[in-house]
Amino acid sequence: DTGVSQDPRHKITKRGQNVTFRCDPISEHNRLYWYRQTLGQGPEFLTYFQNEAQLEKSRLLSDRFSAERPKGSFSTLEIQRTEQGDSAMYLCASSPHSSRGWTQYFGPGTRLLVL
Amino acid sequence: QQQVKQSPQSLIVQKGGISIINCAYENTAFDYFPWYQQFPGKGPALLIAIRPDVSEKKEGRFTISFNKSAKQFSLHIMDSQPGDSATYFCAAKKGDGSGNTGKLIFGQGTTLQVKP
Repeated sequence: DTGVSQDPRHKITKRGQNVTFRCDPISEHNRLYWYRQTLGQGPEFLTYFQNEAQLEKSRLLSDRFSAERPKGSFSTLEIQRTEQGDSAMYLCASSPHSSRGWTQYFGPGTRLLVL
Repeated sequence: QQQVKQSPQSLIVQKGGISIINCAYENTAFDYFPWYQQFPGKGPALLIAIRPDVSEKKEGRFTISFNKSAKQFSLHIMDSQPGDSATYFCAAKKGDGSGNTGKLIFGQGTTLQVKP
């Protein structure tokens, strides 16, 4: 299967710890998005990469959050000094070049629980 | 500020019936309107999408109706099946232009239960 993959699928951590999530997009997709989804809500945009460049960050992305896409392939999302309010599903999506359409393909998500 | 409003929050339909979910948007700069289906513990999966230059798009049992003047669009699921039981999200994207990254703005979701 060549869909979007995310690792880990679940993460339980204690408040104050740092966590890092990984996303592997569909091969050759140059656009990559991170979203956060809390229970009973729709996904909310966090940040966007075009190749290795981070072109947009939501104000939801506090200074405790950082994302990278070092070689324009996989991406990581790190949360420092986690808080209970960070508990959510973190979704990654990828999309091909805009000339080939705007469909975003989502991964299975990483569910984070901060105790 | 909710840019995309979705209703109802939950919906129960008998097998074989029609499920209808509605969305309204405010920003006339939106130019792409997808619907996603999400099962528990899974990521959203694209069902069907429409652009505002057409009023209707049909794919199998799924139809999007689009009313540009009213800034509303809806998803119709014909002959609903128990396997359609899931959460459905409408979304919208701003048109191409300076600074537009293609991010999706999602509605709040509708939990559909199809009873056998």
